[in-house]
Amino acid sequence: DAMVIQNPRYQVTQFGKPVTLSCSQTLNHNVMYWYQQKSSQAPKLLFHYYDKDFNNEADTPDNFQSRRPNTSFCFLDIRSPGLGDAAMYLCATSIQVTETQYFGPGTRLLVL
Amino acid sequence: KQEVTQIPAALSVPEGENLVLNCSFTDSAIYNLQWFRQDPGKGLTSLLLIQSSQREQTSGRLNASLDKSSGRSTLYIAASQPGDSATYLCAVQYTGGFKTIFGAGTRLFVKA
Repeated sequence: DAMVIQNPRYQVTQFGKPVTLSCSQTLNHNVMYWYQQKSSQAPKLLFHYYDKDFNNEADTPDNFQSRRPNTSFCFLDIRSPGLGDAAMYLCATSIQVTETQYFGPGTRLLVL
Repeated sequence: KQEVTQIPAALSVPEGENLVLNCSFTDSAIYNLQWFRQDPGKGLTSLLLIQSSQREQTSGRLNASLDKSSGRSTLYIAASQPGDSATYLCAVQYTGGFKTIFGAGTRLFVKA
């Protein structure tokens, strides 16, 4: 089945230790998104890629970076995680930017 | 400022009842509005997408409407079932940068 896959499902890191979350898709969609969702809050868009074009939201902290080496994979790098970065990180894809977004299961990040 | 609001924050209904969830948004310059379902600790499942030129979409027991001029959308669930228990989120994609903004969701509990 075509799908959006996120690894790992749970990630524990130490304060200040860089961490990378990964997302892959078998849908062959042009657009990939990263969202941050804190407990009982709305998902917040961090950035999205249309193909190789990177689009950063104005209020996304510099501590968050992203890479998309090819159509199928997209990575979220948190350079120096703080306690406030503990959250669920959701990856989504869509065939075009104004079409339905399909989400992966998320990676829950815990910062100690 | 672009904002998406969902009221009520939580709703409990007996099985079999028809119900309506509400979503309101500021700024009518939108591409689309999407409704999602989220089960605890999981990713988001797309339910319906309404493009800005459309008034409603239907899928099974679900019907979503969009009134762009008043900044409102409703999700109607017919004959609710315990399996419908989840958090329902609406997301608006705005023009000018394709930013997607989510509401905080309505937590629905359907009692058997």
